[in-house]
Parts: sequence; C-alpha cells; structure tokens
Amino acid sequence: LAKTTQPISMDSYEGQEVNITCSHNNIATNDYITWYQQFPSQGPRFIIQGYKTKVTNEVASLFIPADRKSSTLSLPRVSLSDTAVYYCLVGVPSTGRRALTFGSGTRLQVQP
Amino acid sequence: EAQVTQNPRYLITVTGKKLTVTCSQNMNHEYMSWYRQDPGLGLRQIYYSMNVEVTDKGDVPEGYKVSRKEKRNFPLILESPSPNQTSLYFCASSLQGDEQFFGPGTRLTVL
Repeated sequence: LAKTTQPISMDSYEGQEVNITCSHNNIATNDYITWYQQFPSQGPRFIIQGYKTKVTNEVASLFIPADRKSSTLSLPRVSLSDTAVYYCLVGVPSTGRRALTFGSGTRLQVQP
Repeated sequence: EAQVTQNPRYLITVTGKKLTVTCSQNMNHEYMSWYRQDPGLGLRQIYYSMNVEVTDKGDVPEGYKVSRKEKRNFPLILESPSPNQTSLYFCASSLQGDEQFFGPGTRLTVL
C-alpha cells in the first residue's frame, strides 16, 4: 500500500497562500493523488486529483514533481472557512483491486 | 439530490449485540467503501466494493462484515461489537474510486 506522510498541523493568516506537502515514496505507476478537505463532524470532501505535473481547479492547485514521490496542495488566499483537516490519498481502485489509504491529515488553522 | 445516506447517525450499544449500519447512494456508483475515523489516526478503510457481489478488505477489516447485494446499498455489519470498535464511521461512494462522495457519518459507541 502506498503510505503517505503529511505535516500534522499548519497555521496561516487570511489572504495568504498555503502549501501542504504530502510524501508518498512508494507510489505505484498507476496511482493518482487525491486531496480531500474535512470539517469537524462531516465527511471528507473532494478537492482535487492529479497524476503528474500541475492540476488547477477553482479552489486549489496540485503540484506533482516528475518523480511523483511527493505532491503539494496549494490553496490561494485562504480564508477562515478554509480551517479544516486536509488529507492526501494515493491510489485509484479503478486501476486495480487495492485498498485506499488516507494519511493522518494536516490540520490547517487560518487566523484572521 | 445526489447523496450518500447512512443510518443510524448515532448509536450506543453494548458489547456483543449485533448491529448493522446501513449505507445507500443514489448516484449509480460502482465503488463503495467504509472507513472508520479515530482521533490521531485519520481515516482507515475497513472494506470496499468495486461492484455488486465484489467486496474486499481494506486496512482494518477485523470484526466487520459487509455485503453488496444491490448497487446502491453497502451495509456494514458488526457481528459482535467490542469497545475498540467505538468510532466515527463513514461510508463513501464513487464512480470508479476516484472522487469519493462521503456520507454524514455514524458515531458508534460500544459499552
């Protein structure tokens, strides 16, 4: 299983850009990298997914270097409502019958 | 509205009393999964199902059973619950395991 390692917590201020890095040294060739956001007492919510290089959507960007052993979620101009736990997930079951493993997540605290 | 529903949302039970947590999705998704979430341990996958009648173990399957007789339903069964299964449980579904949609969670306490 592809294990992931993330910082336990991060602090930021409103309006700043936040970058959260995830390490996944044993990522498999067919694995995708997916990031989720979770608020207290709610289920995780999909943010972004990528395979290589850079992916951008309306809420975030995902940077994946050529060796794919890490990835960085970038949140532009965070607000208080971005305070949440962010999970990095490696693997997509459609590429094979494998379980999915979430990391322990990064708790982001955004201050005013 | 596209959603994943779980029932019950809260449950307090006693050791050894069999229970079932239901999960249903209305998005015609093939992939469904159960996770448990414990403080400091993040989300751990219990079981997953790639399609009807196809289920497989996740990271922490011990003490749990699942079945997938219909595409929309994926119940989680605890035959003989123990206190170490006290946790917050999430069901999720996706088309093929990429973007997962999570249910609201079931908070289970086993005394």
